[in-house]
Amino acid sequence: QQQVKQSPQSLIVQKGGISIINCAYENTAFDYFPWYQQFPGKGPALLIAIRPDVSEKKEGRFTISFNKSAKQFSLHIMDSQPGDSATYFCAARNDYKLSFGAGTTVTVRA
Amino acid sequence: NAGVTQTPKFQVLKTGQSMTLQCAQDMNHNSMYWYRQDPGMGLRLIYYSASEGTTDKGEVPNGYNVSRLNKREFSLRLESAAPSQTSVYFCASSEDPRSYEQYFGPGTRLTVT
Repeated sequence: QQQVKQSPQSLIVQKGGISIINCAYENTAFDYFPWYQQFPGKGPALLIAIRPDVSEKKEGRFTISFNKSAKQFSLHIMDSQPGDSATYFCAARNDYKLSFGAGTTVTVRA
Repeated sequence: NAGVTQTPKFQVLKTGQSMTLQCAQDMNHNSMYWYRQDPGMGLRLIYYSASEGTTDKGEVPNGYNVSRLNKREFSLRLESAAPSQTSVYFCASSEDPRSYEQYFGPGTRLTVT
C-alpha cells in the first residue's frame, strides 16, 4: 500500500488558471517532501521540495503548502501554461528512500 | 554530460526469459536506484545502492536482482520474466543517500508476453 496518497488522478485546467494537487501521509518519520515533474517519454525531474518545519515554499509559479498537523501537503501551479502539461508526483523521504504518490496528470488547455 | 543513461529503451520478452537492464551515470554520484512505474501506482523502488559496494531491497524486490558494478554502473536483472513485470523501469542516481534530489534516466519500456 502506498505510503503517500495523491489526488486527483488527473485534472484539466484552462490556461491562466490554478492547478492544485493534494498529498497525504501517515509516517511521521518522513523528513523531506519533494515534488517531481514528468513529461511524456521522459524520466521524472525534481521540481520543488519542502521541509516539514516550513509551511509554504514558492518557486516562480509553483508553490508547496505544508500542513504538518494534518499530515498533508499540496502543490499549486499558478497561471498554468500549456508547457506545464505533465504528470506530477509528490514524494516523501525517509532514511535513504523516497516514497512516491500515484501521480497526477495535468492538462492545460490553451 | 549525458546524466543517467539506460539501455535498452524498449524490450519484449517471453515469459521465463531473462535479461539485464543497464544503467550508467556520469555525475560521480554515490547512490543509485531502480524503480518501476505502473499506471496508478506511481514509482516503486525495486532496489537501491547507497554507495559503491552496497545494495539493498526496496519496496518491490521479488523477481529481481541487482549489481553495482562500479561507481558509475548499476544493473537490474530479471532471471525469469513474468507478465507482472511488464512495466517502465527507471534508473536514478543521487549525490548521496540522503539527497532528496534524484536524477532519472529516460526509462526502459519492458513488455513480458
